[in-house]
Amino acid sequence: AQSVSQHNHHVILSEAASLELGCNYSYGGTVNLFWYVQYPGQHLQLLLKYFSGDPLVKGIKGFEAEFIKSKFSFNLRKPSVQWSDTAEYFCAVNAPGGYQKVTFGIGTKLQVIP
Amino acid sequence: DAGVTQSPTHLIKTRGQQVTLRCSPKSGHDTVSWYQQALGQGPQFIFQYYEEEERQRGNFPDRFSGHQFPNYSSELNVNALLLGDSALYLCASSSRSTGLSYEQYFGPGTRLTVT
Repeated sequence: AQSVSQHNHHVILSEAASLELGCNYSYGGTVNLFWYVQYPGQHLQLLLKYFSGDPLVKGIKGFEAEFIKSKFSFNLRKPSVQWSDTAEYFCAVNAPGGYQKVTFGIGTKLQVIP
Repeated sequence: DAGVTQSPTHLIKTRGQQVTLRCSPKSGHDTVSWYQQALGQGPQFIFQYYEEEERQRGNFPDRFSGHQFPNYSSELNVNALLLGDSALYLCASSSRSTGLSYEQYFGPGTRLTVT
């Protein structure tokens, strides 16, 4: 069975600080990896995704994530956060092929202080 | 281009009652997945519908059932409600026919409170 671990449940940063949110998954085969974001009062939006190829993927709003297969990790990064990045971030995984469910992590609440 | 819509927005039910939640997928999408998001948790997969059939199911009891209609819209039914069913229920749509079945677009959710 798939599982996702997000290490930081609540992160507080000042504007312009760098961000790295950890995500580790448990699954023995090939995976698709995602980061979703939920801004206050809004619904879940896809931030970025990894299916195959270059393990460094870039998403919207300056976010990027690196897939490290040997570490089963897919950490989210942003060099300089803004107040508008205050949101909840979810890492998710699924196995490609067929009708595969998507498994989400518990989420990380990011608060950016102006 | 309308995104994923869900109705109702909020719902209050009593233990033992039954509830039906509705979802209209994003235009062009043919696959609908339902998730339960309890407070402080990530979304938990309930099931996925494609071509009007349940294709994959998470660890939810048979009290949770669904349906997909020919126009791709979907319903989630929960029978014999328990207090623990209180949660935000999310619908996500995607397009299997274009090979992008894993790019899910989420609706705003239905907040269900069971008293």
